[in-house]
This record gives sequence, C-alpha cells and structure tokens, in this order.
Amino acid sequence: ETGVTQTPRHLVMGMTNKKSLKCEQHLGHNAMYWYKQSAKKPLELMFVYSLEERVENNSVPSRFSPECPNSSHLFLHLHTLQPEDSALYLCASSRQRPGTTGVDEQFFGPGTRLTVL
Amino acid sequence: SQQGEEDPQALSIQEGENATMNCSYKTSINNLQWYRQNSGRGLVHLILIRSNEREKHSGRLRVTLDTSKKSSSLLITASRAADTASYFCATYTGGGNKLTFGTGTQLKVEL
Repeated sequence: ETGVTQTPRHLVMGMTNKKSLKCEQHLGHNAMYWYKQSAKKPLELMFVYSLEERVENNSVPSRFSPECPNSSHLFLHLHTLQPEDSALYLCASSRQRPGTTGVDEQFFGPGTRLTVL
Repeated sequence: SQQGEEDPQALSIQEGENATMNCSYKTSINNLQWYRQNSGRGLVHLILIRSNEREKHSGRLRVTLDTSKKSSSLLITASRAADTASYFCATYTGGGNKLTFGTGTQLKVEL
C-alpha cells in the first residue's frame, strides 16, 4: 500500500452519465495530481493541486472537472465523456515544500479503470 | 515530442539474470526518477537521481545518469519473477510541478 487510495477501482459509464472519481492520501502530502494512462501512450498529467490550489491544467477538456476540498482529498468529476476517454486514471501525491517548486517522488494510488460506452 | 523514451520497449530474461533499461531525454533536467508499475496498478517510485549525481544504488537497483548524453539506465541485478512489471523513467525539468513520463519498458522475468 502506498498510502493513496482511489475509488472506485472500476467504472463503466455511458456518455450521458455524470460520475466522480475520488482520491484520498494518508501521507500528509500537500500536492496532488491526476494522470491519465492510455494503452501505448505515456502517462499524461491532467491536473496538479499544490496547497489546495490548482497550479497546472494541461489543456484538459472541460468534461473533466477537478476538485480539491482539502489537502487529503482530490476528486475528478466526469460528465458527457467520450469513448476515447476510456483509460486508467491515476491519482498521486507528493510533499511540496511551501514557497518552492520542484517535484520529488510521487506516491500513486491503484487507479480507476474507466470504460465509457 | 516526449521528454523521456525508454529502450527497449520490451525485455524478457531468465530469473537470476540482470536487466538493463535505458532512458533518453531531450532537454536539461533537474532530476530523473524511475517507477515500476505492475499490470493495471499504480506506479511505485523506485529511485530518484539528481542532475549533479552520476550513480545511485538501492538494493538490487543501480541507476546511472549521463547528462552529457541525456540518458539514464536502470540495472536490476539478480532478477526475480516478482520484478516482472513495466518500468518508467520520468524527468523533472524545473519550474512548475510537472513530471514527464516515457512510454515504459515491459520487463518479463521467467522462471
């Protein structure tokens, strides 16, 4: 166990559904990340939250909406997704020293396998 | 273009042999990290090497970094079946919070 949990582990949804992915970290970290992993492609960074503020949004379509209510929880709200959004969605966290940038090791959750029909 | 590219894409060896994976990148880095991913699971951090370091060890893992060639290698000695996984390098170039991952090397260790 890495100290980062994700729910649900598997999700099947239609294109008109609305669902949310949840991530929780128990490591006292203050930076959290959403990644998308598709077959045969590099891991794609979607969003970064540092000290509960969104600091990175990698040109992600608006049908993906992140939320970080506190430093331990991160959500990814999904609506009107497309079949090409089917992928493994990974959450990660890291310790960010306040007032600095820099990325040291990240701790990943097990991922949510999303299938969009 | 992607920052990190691993080579080979796939590697199959016998238990007890050593496995070497390479990572090449294009721009200057602050640090380079190696991660392992078991099938369909999250990534696990293995080792981080900073741009001013040339070699690091952790158990059976040895990582080298050659900034002049913009390349790194991961050596797993005395491999075990449990080492079967995908291995990714990730680079941090400084500024912001972004790690850039490669497409990975799939390692299979057979009994």
